[in-house]
Amino acid sequence: KAGVTQTPRYLIKTRGQQVTLSCSPISGHRSVSWYQQTPGQGLQFLFEYFSETQRNKGNFPGRFSGRQFSNSRSEMNVSTLELGDSALYLCASSLALSGVAEAFFGQGTRLTVV
Amino acid sequence: AQSVTQPDIHITVSEGASLELRCNYSYGATPYLFWYVQSPGQGLQLLLKYFSGDTLVQGIKGFEAEFKRSQSSFNLRKPSVHWSDAAEYFCAVAPGDDMRFGAGTRLTVKP
Repeated sequence: KAGVTQTPRYLIKTRGQQVTLSCSPISGHRSVSWYQQTPGQGLQFLFEYFSETQRNKGNFPGRFSGRQFSNSRSEMNVSTLELGDSALYLCASSLALSGVAEAFFGQGTRLTVV
Repeated sequence: AQSVTQPDIHITVSEGASLELRCNYSYGATPYLFWYVQSPGQGLQLLLKYFSGDTLVQGIKGFEAEFKRSQSSFNLRKPSVHWSDAAEYFCAVAPGDDMRFGAGTRLTVKP
């Protein structure tokens, strides 16, 4: 079966713009988690959605938001982009909440803010 | 403070040599434990996981990990490293409903 699909794979945006990233989970998975990965901070948890509801949230400013649709696909949005938002954004899906079920990761979206 | 620690930022081993990557956690109760591997430019792939039961866990690609409650550790091992094992390895813990990752250990394999 198909894995986790993230689109786009690469993105270049200008400071101050906003961006939307998309994640399609594995069929049947109801949980989608988002992570930011940078060389300096490593992998940091952004938020997790389960059945269209945000269940957990990491320590990120309100500029970072997300949502999940009824088909479990998820989007995350970053408004008013800053240079420091340049990162690899990873999405993971699982059958249940990520803390109790195996998470499958997509290849990520590489966001560069200039 | 609750945390997951990978003490080694970078490890270099020769092809064919054995490997051990360390992971320690600090949580009140035993969390679920995972090891993931990430190749350059790629997402993370699960190598193995521990939820309960036998403390020696077998994973994919010839990896195994041992959970030691007394040491709050979950170290990853492989008896003979292959050049294709060069990657970044992440230990992760799930103390509750979310997953937290260590800083990662980058593995370099010498020919």
